[in-house]
Amino acid sequence: GQNIDQPTEMTATEGAIVQINCTYQTSGFNGLFWYQQHAGEAPTFLSYNVLDGLEEKGRFSSFLSRSKGYSYLLLKELQMKDSASYLCAVRGINQAGTALIFGKGTTLSVSS
Amino acid sequence: DTAVSQTPKYLVTQMGNDKSIKCEQNLGHDTMYWYKQDSKKFLKIMFSYNNKELIINETVPNRFSPKSPDKAHLNLHINSLELGDSAVYFCASSPGLAGGRRTGELFFGEGSRLTVL
Repeated sequence: GQNIDQPTEMTATEGAIVQINCTYQTSGFNGLFWYQQHAGEAPTFLSYNVLDGLEEKGRFSSFLSRSKGYSYLLLKELQMKDSASYLCAVRGINQAGTALIFGKGTTLSVSS
Repeated sequence: DTAVSQTPKYLVTQMGNDKSIKCEQNLGHDTMYWYKQDSKKFLKIMFSYNNKELIINETVPNRFSPKSPDKAHLNLHINSLELGDSAVYFCASSPGLAGGRRTGELFFGEGSRLTVL
């Protein structure tokens, strides 16, 4: 089976740093993705990890440990516009082909 | 020149009716998907087509029938709508598995919000 866990909600203040964790158990592994989804909008791609380590892209970084089945998304210098849901997703190597299996998302609220 | 476009964006209908949602992508991708996002925001795969061939059908009731006339289009027809079908349906596409560091990245349409009364 496939299971992806992430916290339901997190809160933080402007300018702070927040880390959103994701653990996964999947049938095979071929990449982990983070997506951002603002209320009423479509998910948009943030980051992709397939090898262990840290990928940095501006204020956002994503880390992967395949042996631990663990990833995190790090958001620095938080802004109000970062209030959104953050979705962890895994692509397996099985009959699911290229489909991404999503966690239930973490709703991040950034306050001033 | 929207990359993945779905119509309609909003759909309100009565239980028992039949409705369709259309999706088109102009990215030249080989694979298209339908995802359902429920009221708790959980995004769940329903179907996937690769070059017009069905490759994923995730325990979806057979009232839901996808159709892919060509690799740029994937439509979703729903028969005998039920209250539990109310959700946002997202179409998405992705390039093929061969090559590309970001292979598998999904590009989503804006979603179609279906409300069944």
